[in-house]
Amino acid sequence: NAGVTQTPKFRVLKTGQSMTLLCAQDMNHEYMYWYRQDPGMGLRLIHYSVGEGTTAKGEVPDGYNVSRLKKQNFLLGLESAAPSQTSVYFCASSTGAEAFFGQGTRLTVV
Amino acid sequence: AQSVTQLGSHVSVSEGALVLLRCNYSSSVPPYLFWYVQYPNQGLQLLLKYTTGATLVKGINGFEAEFKKSETSFHLTKPSAHMSDAAEYFCAVILNTGGFKTIFGAGTRLFVKA
Repeated sequence: NAGVTQTPKFRVLKTGQSMTLLCAQDMNHEYMYWYRQDPGMGLRLIHYSVGEGTTAKGEVPDGYNVSRLKKQNFLLGLESAAPSQTSVYFCASSTGAEAFFGQGTRLTVV
Repeated sequence: AQSVTQLGSHVSVSEGALVLLRCNYSSSVPPYLFWYVQYPNQGLQLLLKYTTGATLVKGINGFEAEFKKSETSFHLTKPSAHMSDAAEYFCAVILNTGGFKTIFGAGTRLFVKA
């Protein structure tokens, strides 16, 4: 049972480039989330989804887009990367209580 | 609105000493409260949770936390620190206004001295 899997684990982007982070969960959870983690700020919610085909904005959605075409997958897109988006990104899934996290994606924008 | 405040971004204890990590929350409704641990270069792992019932909650690795409604607190304790406890700890509350969003505190990094 893999749980929550994030792809890729590391990435370096140039300013203005685009990329997509993939999150896959095999626990049949309805709720999925994307967070970013920055030193001293904990985890901040970017976007979330309450089910297949739905998405909603979190605390810090600007510069990101998401899609949930399949229940098990939640994609996070950066259309035009900026240095301020350098961070560690975590995906999580939940049934409504405990959240299960992926191992994170370390993204550097230069 | 619900939020979480962790007192102390860094806490240092000696091996064998008591661990106390502080968390206060604000919530207009009875909260679901959590403590997560993050080891270096890893994701977050659930330590323990309070939803309803007994206010003293026991978790993994000898940690426990007590929900005190009158103090709006959910402090994390462990009687005797071990070197392997060195990690970052996050207190969290679930925002039950659609989507069951988990809102995190800023985190407390625990250092354990030999």
